[in-house]
Parts: sequence; C-alpha cells; structure tokens
Amino acid sequence: QKEVEQDPGPLSVPEGAIVSLNCTYSNSAFQYFMWYRQYSRKGPELLMYTYSSGNKEDGRFTAQVDKSSKYISLFIRDSQPSDSATYLCASGAGRRALTFGSGTRLQVQP
Amino acid sequence: GAGVSQTPSNKVTEKGKYVELRCDPISGHTALYWYRQSLGQGPEFLIYFQGTGAADDSGLPNDRFFAVRPEGSVSTLKIQRTERGDSAVYLCASSLGQGAGETQYFGPGTRLLVL
Repeated sequence: QKEVEQDPGPLSVPEGAIVSLNCTYSNSAFQYFMWYRQYSRKGPELLMYTYSSGNKEDGRFTAQVDKSSKYISLFIRDSQPSDSATYLCASGAGRRALTFGSGTRLQVQP
Repeated sequence: GAGVSQTPSNKVTEKGKYVELRCDPISGHTALYWYRQSLGQGPEFLIYFQGTGAADDSGLPNDRFFAVRPEGSVSTLKIQRTERGDSAVYLCASSLGQGAGETQYFGPGTRLLVL
C-alpha cells in the first residue's frame, strides 16, 4: 500500500463548478500537507501548504486536513479552464522528503 | 529571479549506456531533491542533499543510480547501464532549508527515454 493514495481521475467539470480533490494517507507521523499543481510538461508548483489539521483558504482554493481520518482535500471554487492541470497531494514529516500521491488530472470545460 | 533549471530537457539513449542529468538549484537553497516521475504517476523520491552531503538516498532504486553535489550547489544524477525501465521524467527540486516543511521549488524536468 502506498503511503499517499489519490484517485487518478480524470475529472471533467464545466467552468464555474466546485471541484473536490481528495487523498488519503497512512503514515500517522505526517505533519505537513501540500497540494501541487502540474501543467503538462512542466514541473509541479506549490499551490497550498497546511501544517497539521485544519483548513486553509487562499482565493478560490481551500485545503483541508483531517488527521483523525487521514484525509486531505482540496476544493476549487468557480473553476476556470486555466485550472486544468494535474493536482498532486504530498505529505511529509521531519527531515523526510515528501511523499506524493499519483495525481488527479482535472479538465475544466469552457 | 531564476528558478530551478535542468539540463538536458530531453535525453534519448540506448539500453546499456551511461547518462548524466544536471540540476541547477535556486541560488542560496541548501537542500536539493531528485525525484522520478513515470507517466500517470506522482513524483517518486530518489535522493536529497543538504549542502554537499546526501542526507537521504533511500529512494535510489539500485546501485546503477548515483548522485553528487560536490560544491553544495549544482547536482548531477548519474545512471549507469541504463535500462528501458529507467525511462521517465527526472525532476529536481530545491528548498531554502531541509525537511518536509520547507517549500520545494521544482525544475521542468529531464525527459529520459531509453531505447
């Protein structure tokens, strides 16, 4: 079993929809939770960063972490065609490198 | 400012050959990471450096893979006796400090194809 599991999609939504992306993780030691966005043939770029449990909001994006259920979520409001990309969740602890999920491919249709 | 750069952007080689992939991190970043990303998968950790030393090389799949960072800046990932299964995008990332809580900035990757 992978330490971070993510539904690969693809997920196709109409412009303006609310998108929900989810991951689960198995390592109780994980403290840091990130969402990266990766456009085709580009490197991942950090979108959201959360430490421990709770919510974090940044514009149209909200990240949630529930450590009791080991569940990580990213919500995108008013989705735009420019949001079409692969979204990667990642988790880590201490001096360890990050462990990434397999990524969910999102397509926002105009 | 300049981001993480990787060269070459694409590399085609034949099975059994040796390849070197280069990463130039963001200036001042002490930590440098190598990941491998196969098609449809997330980045898979290979090795990371803090300064000149390898802090964790537990992700290297076997002894054909080796990486160096002799002066604490540029790093080279070396793959000996390449196999078709080594074909992937090799990503480099750097961060200001060491640890999972530090933001990692990724380069565009080197696409390696082993024929």
